Amino acid sequence: AQSVTQLGSHVSVSEGALVLLRCNYSSSVPPYLFWYVQYPNQGLQLLLKYTTGATLVKGINGFEAEFKKSETSFHLTKPSAHMSDAAEYFCAVSDPEGANSKLTFGKGITLSVRP
Amino acid sequence: NAGVMQNPRHLVRRRGQEARLRCSPMKGHSHVYWYRQLPEEGLKFMVYLQKENIIDESGMPKERFSAEFPKEGPSILRIQQVVRGDSAAYFCASSPPGVAGGYEQYFGPGTRLTVT
Repeated sequence: AQSVTQLGSHVSVSEGALVLLRCNYSSSVPPYLFWYVQYPNQGLQLLLKYTTGATLVKGINGFEAEFKKSETSFHLTKPSAHMSDAAEYFCAVSDPEGANSKLTFGKGITLSVRP
Repeated sequence: NAGVMQNPRHLVRRRGQEARLRCSPMKGHSHVYWYRQLPEEGLKFMVYLQKENIIDESGMPKERFSAEFPKEGPSILRIQQVVRGDSAAYFCASSPPGVAGGYEQYFGPGTRLTVT
């Protein structure tokens, strides 16, 4: 069975500071990996995903993530936070070998950006 | 190209009533997924459907919950005899046909169910 761990429930950074949101997974095979963002009272929007190939993945809004197999991690970063980045962020995995592609989510991290 | 549509956006039901949540996938998408988001928790998978077929319902509660995706029309998540613990946000997602696993899922805005 797959699982996703997002340590901590809340991260607060100053505008312009580095954003680092951590994600670790547990899976019998390297999974496909996703980061989604959820703004208040809205659905989830895909930020980026890793399936195969280059382990550093660039997404929308200046975010990127690096797949590290040895650390079973897929941490999300952004060099400089904007106020508009305040939202909830979810890391998710899916089974590349399974018959379906249901997503297993972490509990999410709320990002606050201070002026 | 319209995104995933869900209705209603907000639904209030009294205990014991039935709740019907609708999801229209993106055009060309034939895979539909339902997830539930409880307060302070991430999204939990409920069921995965293709047209007229339930592929995986391993996340569905054994009683009172059912889902369908008919040949014509939206996918329906049905909750019978709702209880307060069913209060949550229910999200539908869709993905295109093809190889499973690598295609991202596109999420609708959700239906927020409140049971009073």
